[in-house]
Amino acid sequence: EAGVVQSPRYKIIEKKQPVAFWCNPISGHNTLYWYRQNLGQGPELLIRYENEEAVDDSQLPKDRFSAERLKGVDSTLKIQPAELGDSAVYLCASSLQREWGYEQYFGPGTRLTVT
Amino acid sequence: RKEVEQDPGPFNVPEGATVAFNCTYSNSASQSFFWYRQDCRKEPKLLMSVYSSGNEDGRFTAQLNRASQYISLLIRDSKLSDSATYLCVVNGNNDMRFGAGTRLTVKP
Repeated sequence: EAGVVQSPRYKIIEKKQPVAFWCNPISGHNTLYWYRQNLGQGPELLIRYENEEAVDDSQLPKDRFSAERLKGVDSTLKIQPAELGDSAVYLCASSLQREWGYEQYFGPGTRLTVT
Repeated sequence: RKEVEQDPGPFNVPEGATVAFNCTYSNSASQSFFWYRQDCRKEPKLLMSVYSSGNEDGRFTAQLNRASQYISLLIRDSKLSDSATYLCVVNGNNDMRFGAGTRLTVKP
């Protein structure tokens, strides 16, 4: 079974430029998450989708970040314009509900460097 | 106070040692708990779920104490390949919160 797919794996841009990340979750996983992980920290949730609905975007900086999951499958996260502080790894995850809760599976991430 | 707090580490142990990590959480309504492992420059991967009664998977034992709001991970007979960062994850209604992670280095 294919895992969570993300692209690109690495991105280097200058500040004030736009950037977009793409994620394709594991087939059959209705829940999709975008996280940001800074060096030495755990992942921080940016947005969570249940199918095509964004059910938790409270941590998404809406002035510059946007996300969509139009058909309830793959998703795009965009930053416009990027700032130096946006340099981080952006992780996408999808989850499957088990009896004891949700098990998340992560993609390899996109490492963003803003110069 | 952070929602999920872990031992800061790093833990440097010899092969064969037993090492334990603790994690505390602030949301008493949390429903499920996990340990993830993250290798350097890789994505987090699920190590094990933590059940109310505690559970064991080979050399790894996880325990949950709801009254004190902490979970633990015990690794016995440490291997070099256990070197990684271990992330504690607490879930309340599909709202996953990660700790900052504890770094473990197992040395020959």
